[in-house]
Amino acid sequence: GAVVSQHPSRVICKSGTSVKIECRSLDFQATTMFWYRQFPKKSLMLMATSNEGSKATYEQGVEKDKFLINHASLTLSTLTVTSAHPEDSSFYICSPRAGPEAFFGQGTRLTVV
Amino acid sequence: KQEVTQIPAALSVPEGENLVLNCSFTDSAIYNLQWFRQDPGKGLTSLLLIQSSQREQTSGRLNASLDKSSGRSTLYIAASQPGDSATYLCAATGRNNDMRFGAGTRLTVKP
Repeated sequence: GAVVSQHPSRVICKSGTSVKIECRSLDFQATTMFWYRQFPKKSLMLMATSNEGSKATYEQGVEKDKFLINHASLTLSTLTVTSAHPEDSSFYICSPRAGPEAFFGQGTRLTVV
Repeated sequence: KQEVTQIPAALSVPEGENLVLNCSFTDSAIYNLQWFRQDPGKGLTSLLLIQSSQREQTSGRLNASLDKSSGRSTLYIAASQPGDSATYLCAATGRNNDMRFGAGTRLTVKP
């Protein structure tokens, strides 16, 4: 399968600071990037979809000014959680796509204290 | 909006048993359906992908079926092993490549 690298795997930050999460597709070019959020023992919730070079499309209820997505190249996308608050603590997973099969990063556990 | 449901939410079986996990979706206009495995605190590992034109896919001890008309998919695991313990997620992909996930089935295989 395709190789996806997501980091950091874990991050703890103070309330009010910003955190950047990187997602790289190492052996394929991703025309589309999906970002998901997962609460404990819950399913993945789609946050936003981005195409390389275009602005991201956010799902209803997801604040675009809080979750900044950059998809500047076909192999790299970033999710920045701005002015993080404890309620932003969650597991974030990226999914770069080039075809019908979906592959995922290993996820980032964000804890805001 | 597509809704995906998985039953049961949790399942515990003795080693060696065959088992079936169920997935249902409300909108049959899907592009494909994919089954994943997720270990605690980890990302997703793709198990099987069934295109909308296909009825089933097999990989080793795993077999997944798809019935679009009834909005159902099943994942069959043969001769379960303790290493199969994980959460299994199904996801339906729509025409614009957006994936909707079920809440998962948490499987425990006891030695």
